[in-house]
Amino acid sequence: DIQMTQSPSSLSASVGDRVTITCRASQSISSYLNWYQQKPGKAPNLLIYTASSLQSGVPSRFSGSGSGTDFTLTISSLQPEDFATYYCQQSYSTPFTFGPGTKVDIK
Amino acid sequence: QVQLVESGGGVVQPGGSLRLSCAASGFTFSNYGMHWVRQAPDKGLEWVTFIPYDESNKYYADSVKGRFTISRDNSKNTLFLQMNSLRAEDTAVYYCAKDSGKTQYYFEYWGQGTLVTVSS
Repeated sequence: DIQMTQSPSSLSASVGDRVTITCRASQSISSYLNWYQQKPGKAPNLLIYTASSLQSGVPSRFSGSGSGTDFTLTISSLQPEDFATYYCQQSYSTPFTFGPGTKVDIK
Repeated sequence: QVQLVESGGGVVQPGGSLRLSCAASGFTFSNYGMHWVRQAPDKGLEWVTFIPYDESNKYYADSVKGRFTISRDNSKNTLFLQMNSLRAEDTAVYYCAKDSGKTQYYFEYWGQGTLVTVSS
């Protein structure tokens, strides 16, 4: 199975900050990496697919990059509605594994 | 708009069975693969199983293989998850999710989830 790790596990940031979250795969997954946002008590929401494609309706302050084993999710200017937990997920092979999540909260 | 509505969750004893349903609307259900993803209380996300649009090849996580069965009824736009021999560690919110449909296996849309609690 492909193991996914994320760093940091949590971070505190202020509105307007630039935030970067890193995701690493245990083996190369090409660009088969996706990012989701989840708010408490809600279902996850797709933000980025295939490493860098922005899902329709997602604000352009979200961006993704990377390939192979190392990926990043960047929020260019954090907004109040962005405080949530973020998960990466590999879609290269089954089982389709998730990272453990990164919780972004208010400083 | 795409809508996915899960149902069938509840409390069940260890060793028991439960069948979850997911009613889909807003897209051509018969053209897309579907997934189940679960989340244990205060834990991360775990992919459970996938069924292609034509049920040709189903995939399961090792943790549920041989106990859970995914199926679908394209005439009724409904996805199912039959869960047998349930264990305490199966306690979770279960989400159905629409696949992207481009053999890229990401979860494009999610339902609101249904809670399964396995407890005596």
